[in-house]
Parts: sequence; C-alpha cells; structure tokens
Amino acid sequence: GQQLNQSPQSMFIQEGEDVSMNCTSSSIFNTWLWYKQEPGEGPVLLIALYKAGELTSNGRLTAQFGITRKDSFLNISASIPSDVGIYFCAGVPGGGADGLTFGKGTHLIIQP
Amino acid sequence: KAGVTQTPRYLIKTRGQQVTLSCSPISGHRSVSWYQQTPGQGLQFLFEYFSETQRNKGNFPGRFSGRQFSNSRSEMNVSTLELGDSALYLCASSLVPGMNTEAFFGQGTRLTVV
Repeated sequence: GQQLNQSPQSMFIQEGEDVSMNCTSSSIFNTWLWYKQEPGEGPVLLIALYKAGELTSNGRLTAQFGITRKDSFLNISASIPSDVGIYFCAGVPGGGADGLTFGKGTHLIIQP
Repeated sequence: KAGVTQTPRYLIKTRGQQVTLSCSPISGHRSVSWYQQTPGQGLQFLFEYFSETQRNKGNFPGRFSGRQFSNSRSEMNVSTLELGDSALYLCASSLVPGMNTEAFFGQGTRLTVV
C-alpha cells in the first residue's frame, strides 16, 4: 500500500518556538489532512487541504499542500504547552480507495 | 452537535474470544471508516461503509469484519482474538466517502487481549 513518510518522529522544543513538520509520499494524494492526537483520545482534525499549492491557516497553525501533490507541511508558530501531542498527516490517495493513509506521527514535546 | 461516539471505551478479552465494537457517526454523516492504531504499525485502515455497504477494505484478515445499519451506525467484529489484536480501534465518520471529505474521529475503543 501507499506510505507517507512523516518527519521528524519527535521534537523537543522550548515554549514559544516555532515548529515545522512534513510528510512526503512517492504517490500523488488528492487531499491532505493534519490531525492532532492526545493520550486516550482519537485524532482531531486540524487542517484540511484540497488543492495543490493551497496554503491554509487555523490560528497559529499553517499547512500547505505541495504543488507536486506528493508532500505537505505543517507549521506551528509560538508554541504553547497545550500544543503537546502527536501530530499526524493523512492523505487520500489518487484513486480515492483504501481510506486515509496516515504518517507515523510527530511527537511534540514542549519544555517550559 | 454530537461527535462520533464509540462504545465501549475499554475492553479486555481473552485469546480466542470474539468482540463487537460500536460506532455512532455524527448526525447526517453516512460514511463510517474503521482504523486500528498500534504503537508499531500506527494507524491502519480496516474498512469503510457507506449506505450499509462495505466500500473499501484494508489489508486485514477475514477475522475482522463489519457492518453498517440503516441509521448509519456501524459495528466491527473481531473473531478468534489474538494477542496482536490489542490496539486502539478508531471509527471515523464523514458526510460521504471520497477524496474531498474530512473525516472526524471518535475517541476509540481500547481493546486488550490477554
């Protein structure tokens, strides 16, 4: 099946720093989604991207759909303690089948 | 507007038993997908239901099955449980299946097989 390579696997940062993570694929995706998951909870949708080149913001979060349709990045500006969690990228493959394909996640840890 | 509801939240079963998990989608959503989440494999797609029909299926053995009812509620069943089936099972709902639809997840059912 298709795979998404998400990096970095984990990040240890200071409160107030900016964060950047990305996902790449060898295949084209028609939709890119970014989720955040906290312990004991299901993933919560942060941003959805539908068009190549699209840049979308949600508060301090900004995500972009790569123009090749094979990558996406998520930026978090001025991180705060409640940003701690695991961030997942997910994509809908070009054929639209097989549900969402998820990256392995980026574990964000913030030191006060 | 209520979110995706999964029951039960936690479950402990022994090897060889079977288990049924339930998912109630967001009101108005007709597509329900199931995912298995483990530390080693991450989130993996199990299957998707729309209009009471299985639309897509991931790469899981036949012990994993599901169904969807006319009110869009869905159940998944795992028979002859194995230790490796221990995982967080997540259900996601969306208005309709397809590439331009956002999926919203429930809190999951934590299954432990002993």
